[in-house]
Amino acid sequence: AQSVTQLGSHVSVSEGALVLLRCNYSSSVPPYLFWYVQYPNQGLQLLLKYTSAATLVKGINGFEAEFKKSETSFHLTKPSAHMSDAAEYFCAVSSNSGGSNYKLTFGKGTLLTVNP
Amino acid sequence: DGGITQSPKYLFRKEGQNVTLSCEQNLNHDAMYWYRQDPGQGLRLIYYSQIVNDFQKGDIAEGYSVSREKKESFPLTVTSAQKNPTAFYLCASSTSGETQYFGPGTRLLVL
Repeated sequence: AQSVTQLGSHVSVSEGALVLLRCNYSSSVPPYLFWYVQYPNQGLQLLLKYTSAATLVKGINGFEAEFKKSETSFHLTKPSAHMSDAAEYFCAVSSNSGGSNYKLTFGKGTLLTVNP
Repeated sequence: DGGITQSPKYLFRKEGQNVTLSCEQNLNHDAMYWYRQDPGQGLRLIYYSQIVNDFQKGDIAEGYSVSREKKESFPLTVTSAQKNPTAFYLCASSTSGETQYFGPGTRLLVL
């Protein structure tokens, strides 16, 4: 079975500071890994995904994440936070559970607050 | 514009009533999914469908039912057997094995 742990349900940073959101996963097979962002009362928007190519993945809005197999981690970073980054962020792992049957398992989310 | 639409945005359910949430996509995706989101719980899979006329239970299927009569449509019915239906419901779609794309969600409230 696969699982995702997001350390910190709430992270608060100042505008211009580094954003670091942590994600650790467990999977019995090579994983696909995703970060999604959700603004209040909206659906999820894909930020970036890792699919076994380059371990450093660049996404939208200046975010990037690094896949570290030895640490089973996929932490999300952004060098300089903007007020518009305030949202909830979800890490998810997907693996092939047979044939073309891919299922996503989500972490519980991290709420990012950006202070002026 | 390609995308996923969900309706209504807000839905109210009375005790003992079944309600149906709509999900439509024009992305030509084969697979569609329904998730339930509760505060601090992340997203939990209710049902998913890989092809028309076929669907499988997810992790929390009790009290819910679905149909997949058309590739574009995957409606979710919240039955009276679901005793705690208040939540935000998200529909998603994907080509098999690829990224899931999400609709805007429906918030279900109980009167």
